[in-house]
Amino acid sequence: DIQMTQSPSSLSPSVGDRVTITCQASQDINNHLNWYQQKPGKAPKLLIYDVSNLETGVPSRFSGSGSGTDFTFTISSLQPEDIATYYCQHYDNLPYTFGPGTKLEIK
Amino acid sequence: QVQLQESGPGLVQPSETLSLTCTVSGGSISNYYWAWIRQAPGKGLQWIGSIFYSGNTNYNPSLKSRVTISVDTSKNQFSLRLTSVTAADTAIYYCARQFFGTHFDFWGQGTLVTVSS
Repeated sequence: DIQMTQSPSSLSPSVGDRVTITCQASQDINNHLNWYQQKPGKAPKLLIYDVSNLETGVPSRFSGSGSGTDFTFTISSLQPEDIATYYCQHYDNLPYTFGPGTKLEIK
Repeated sequence: QVQLQESGPGLVQPSETLSLTCTVSGGSISNYYWAWIRQAPGKGLQWIGSIFYSGNTNYNPSLKSRVTISVDTSKNQFSLRLTSVTAADTAIYYCARQFFGTHFDFWGQGTLVTVSS
């Protein structure tokens, strides 16, 4: 299985801060990488697919980049409604696996 | 807008079979992959398996011996069966649409299944 790691595991930024989360795959995943946001008690929501493509309706303050095994998710200016846990997920081969998540808490 | 809704028992006895159904509305089940994903309390996400509308399936090898996913296009539903459950199978179970085997773009609200006697 391809192992996905994320760092940091948690973060306490302030409103307006630039937030960066990294995701690393245990092998090259050919840019087959997605990002999800999960708020407490809710289902995950797709934010970014195929490394850098913003899902319809997702604010432009969210972005993604990277290639090979190393990927980055960025919130350009954190808003209060962005408090959530963020997961990366690969689909390069089976089984599809998710990263362990990065939990954002407002400072 | 595609909507998904999970249904099924919230409590399953150890060693029994967990059965859930996902009903898709607002769109056809045809031409897409459909998936089950679970999340143990306070934990991360685990892909269980996916099914194409035609019936072709892919399963997580860690669960493959116990999992069956099926589809009923006439009812716009797909289902999950997980046999010989233990407390480790206690989780929120989500159904989701998988866009051509890539990202999961529409999700159900999730249903908590507890395995306990």
